[in-house]
Amino acid sequence: KQEVTQIPAALSVPEGENLVLNCSFTDSAIYNLQWFRQDPGKGLTSLLLIQSSQREQTSGRLNASLDKSSGRSTLYIAASQPGDSATYLCADNTDKLIFGTGTRLQVFP
Amino acid sequence: SQTIHQWPATLVQPVGSPLSLECTVEGTSNPNLYWYRQAAGRGLQLLFYSVGIGQISSEVPQNLSASRPQDRQFILSSKKLLLSDSGFYLCAGGGEPQETQYFGPGTRLLVL
Repeated sequence: KQEVTQIPAALSVPEGENLVLNCSFTDSAIYNLQWFRQDPGKGLTSLLLIQSSQREQTSGRLNASLDKSSGRSTLYIAASQPGDSATYLCADNTDKLIFGTGTRLQVFP
Repeated sequence: SQTIHQWPATLVQPVGSPLSLECTVEGTSNPNLYWYRQAAGRGLQLLFYSVGIGQISSEVPQNLSASRPQDRQFILSSKKLLLSDSGFYLCAGGGEPQETQYFGPGTRLLVL
């Protein structure tokens, strides 16, 4: 049974820092890995989807990588801004979405 | 891209009362549809998913049921709510498995 873990659970940083959020999974037979953002009390917004044939995806200041052999994915946020404050969730998107518990990020001015 | 609509946004219900949450999808046909629950301080738990009209799969035993009366309509129901049913309910839709899933704005349910 796939288990997805995210570290750290919470992160507070000053504006401008480059960040790395980690996601690990126990079953390397993953097809796709998806990163989401959730603002407080809101639904999820898809950020990046990395397909099994890809090693990384980029969107603006966000870059996500996938290393199936080591069971890890990372989300890199460049030059963080207060508007990046949210909970970030990764999910195994092989058959049904299996989510990690998220990293709650706060970027302060 | 798809748009997922959910209502109501917030709901306060007494224990033992019935529940009906509705989700509709715009911008695609024959989507796979999902109901998730997010309890306070916990991760997202998949409750039900549907690959077509009348086809419902339940992921966890619980006090809830789901129905899909139309291609782009997904309903979450309960005959008698429990305190433990409180949480944030999210509907999601997508194409084939492994494609991007889109989420609705969620319904916050408080059972008192």
